[in-house]
Amino acid sequence: LAKTTQPISMDSYEGQEVNITCSHNNIATNDYITWYQQFPSQGPRFIIQGYKTKVTNEVASLFIPADRKSSTLSLPRVSLSDTAVYYCLVGNYGQNFVFGPGTRLSVLP
Amino acid sequence: NAGVTQTPKFRVLKTGQSMTLLCAQDMNHEYMYWYRQDPGMGLRLIHYSVGEGTTAKGEVPDGYNVSRLKKQNFLLGLESAAPSQTSVYFCASSYSGTGGLYEQYFGPGTRLTVT
Repeated sequence: LAKTTQPISMDSYEGQEVNITCSHNNIATNDYITWYQQFPSQGPRFIIQGYKTKVTNEVASLFIPADRKSSTLSLPRVSLSDTAVYYCLVGNYGQNFVFGPGTRLSVLP
Repeated sequence: NAGVTQTPKFRVLKTGQSMTLLCAQDMNHEYMYWYRQDPGMGLRLIHYSVGEGTTAKGEVPDGYNVSRLKKQNFLLGLESAAPSQTSVYFCASSYSGTGGLYEQYFGPGTRLTVT
């Protein structure tokens, strides 16, 4: 499984756009990039998944450059309720999930 | 749909006691997983199952056993609890298929303390 590296923590203010970057230098050809969100005392929740270029849903956007060695989760106009830990996972069919320590995002008023 | 449910929500055990954690899902998922999460850490996979009657070891299986007698249920057992097993335990389930990491649906967690 590809090892991922994310910032340990980030701070932002309400209404700002937040970008969290994940490095995965040894990503394999068939690997996908997936992001999860975890609130305190809850299980993680799927946010978005992509393979290349850009993916957007109602919650976030995922930007993946051509070399796929990194990816950026973009959260538009964050609110206090977006305060959570965000995990970047890389892998493919048949593999197990590996959750690193994630990025702890704090949204300030 | 209830999604993924876990029983119990909280439990305190003494060292050496045994217990079983129950996970149930009503989404007809093939795959089910048990994770543990220690304070400030990410989740670590204990055991998983790719179908009824099958189980496999994950990253940290020692001290735990599992069973998947029914498709909708996945049990995690601690035969002789140790303080090092104090943690929050999450169960998850997902579809099977090809392409990408399957979206996992997580339960609310069981907070276990071993004294």
